[in-house]
Amino acid sequence: SQQGEEDPQALSIQEGENATMNCSYKTSINNLQWYRQNSGRGLVHLILIRSNEREKHSGRLRVTLDTSKKSSSLLITASRAADTASYFCATARGGADGLTFGKGTHLIIQP
Amino acid sequence: GAGVSQTPSNKVTEKGKYVELRCDPISGHTALYWYRQSLGQGPEFLIYFQGTGAADDSGLPNDRFFAVRPEGSVSTLKIQRTERGDSAVYLCASSLGPGLAGYTGELFFGEGSRLTVL
Repeated sequence: SQQGEEDPQALSIQEGENATMNCSYKTSINNLQWYRQNSGRGLVHLILIRSNEREKHSGRLRVTLDTSKKSSSLLITASRAADTASYFCATARGGADGLTFGKGTHLIIQP
Repeated sequence: GAGVSQTPSNKVTEKGKYVELRCDPISGHTALYWYRQSLGQGPEFLIYFQGTGAADDSGLPNDRFFAVRPEGSVSTLKIQRTERGDSAVYLCASSLGPGLAGYTGELFFGEGSRLTVL
């Protein structure tokens, strides 16, 4: 089963605009992570936000976490064509290690 | 090696055949994971190793699937009597084990092995 669910499923914007993706999850978490996957490639870790954090920045990325609503958002500012990829949120698998991923948001940046 | 290495990158086989997929994790990573990803979906957990033992194999879909990690490094995912529904990209990831210095929970993924069952 998939713990996180991203929306929208697909997003197409113009280069230079900001892109926002949302993730909702079901159970309590210790942290939430965002990963990126280019077509035909493996996943690459972007950012991790702990349950006691509300916002975190890394370069052009901004992640927020609202544990009361069980939701997170990923904002990519000043988007570039190279940001075209699928983005997944992931949460820890309960008592076991490893992560459970959502279905992802497919982001297309139009040049 | 510098990253997680998976071989083969592509495998085409016929229904009913046996397949082995190999994963070479990042040196020093004690935790190793196998995921399966179908087109348009997120990675689906299969099995997790901590060292040599399978700490959690609850994601394996049935007894045709088996994975080993005999020396706590390289792992092999084995699929018997393949079916067309097994077609997917099989992803391997590794991480530092929980409790070890530097552990963050971040997974490092390989490029995947794309399996096509005809």
